Amino acid sequence: IAGITQAPTSQILAAGRRMTLRCTQDMRHNAMYWYRQDLGLGLRLIHYSNTAGTTGKGEVPDGYSVSRANTDDFPLTLASAVPSQTSVYFCASSPAAGEQTGELFFGEGSRLTVL
Amino acid sequence: GQNIDQPTEMTATEGAIVQINCTYQTSGFNGLFWYQQHAGEAPTFLSYNVLDGLEEKGRFSSFLSRSKGYSYLLLKELQMKDSASYLCAGVDSNYQLIWGAGTKLIIKP
Repeated sequence: IAGITQAPTSQILAAGRRMTLRCTQDMRHNAMYWYRQDLGLGLRLIHYSNTAGTTGKGEVPDGYSVSRANTDDFPLTLASAVPSQTSVYFCASSPAAGEQTGELFFGEGSRLTVL
Repeated sequence: GQNIDQPTEMTATEGAIVQINCTYQTSGFNGLFWYQQHAGEAPTFLSYNVLDGLEEKGRFSSFLSRSKGYSYLLLKELQMKDSASYLCAGVDSNYQLIWGAGTKLIIKP
C-alpha cells in the first residue's frame, strides 16, 4: 500500500537553484495540497488542487508553483530557491474538496535546506 | 483574523490522563480536526468534530463546544508511544483548514 509518496525525502540546495518536489498518490483522490511546516508555526498551505487540471493559491504561495496534469501527480516547484524556503514540505490528499470534511492523508515529508 | 491556540508543550506520566486544549477563531465554522504527528513523521488523523459534545475512540476522545470556540483532546492510559505533537485544525466557512502550531506531549515513565 503506497498511499501518497513524496520525493526527495531530504535535499540541500544552493540559493538561486530550481527545485521540484514530487508528490504522487494512488488513492484516486480528487484534492491535493502542499503545506510547509516550520518550527513554532502551524502547517501553512502553499497551493492546492481540487481536481485534475485546476490549481489554487493558499496562504503562502509566493516563490512556488504547482501543476496538476493528472489525478495522481502534484509537483511543487521552487523557481529560484531562497533561504527562507528552508522547511519541511508535506503533500496531502483528500477524496473530495469544497465541502470536504474528511481526513487528509499526508506524505512522509520532504526536508529542504536552502543555503 | 483567524487563529488557533493550543499550548506549546505538555508533560504527563505513563498510565495517566492528559487533556490538550484548543481554542479557535475562524470565519465561519465547519468542524475541527485533531491530528497526531510523531517527530520526523507525517501527521495522521485522530478525530473530527462538527457537533457539540464528546466523541470517544478507544483511549482518545475529542470534545467540542461551538459556543465557546473550544475543543480538547483527551488521552487516557497514556503510553510512551503517545509522545508526539498533537495538531488542532479548524475548518472555516470556505472549508479551508486553519492549523494550530501543535502541542508537543512528553510522556515520562
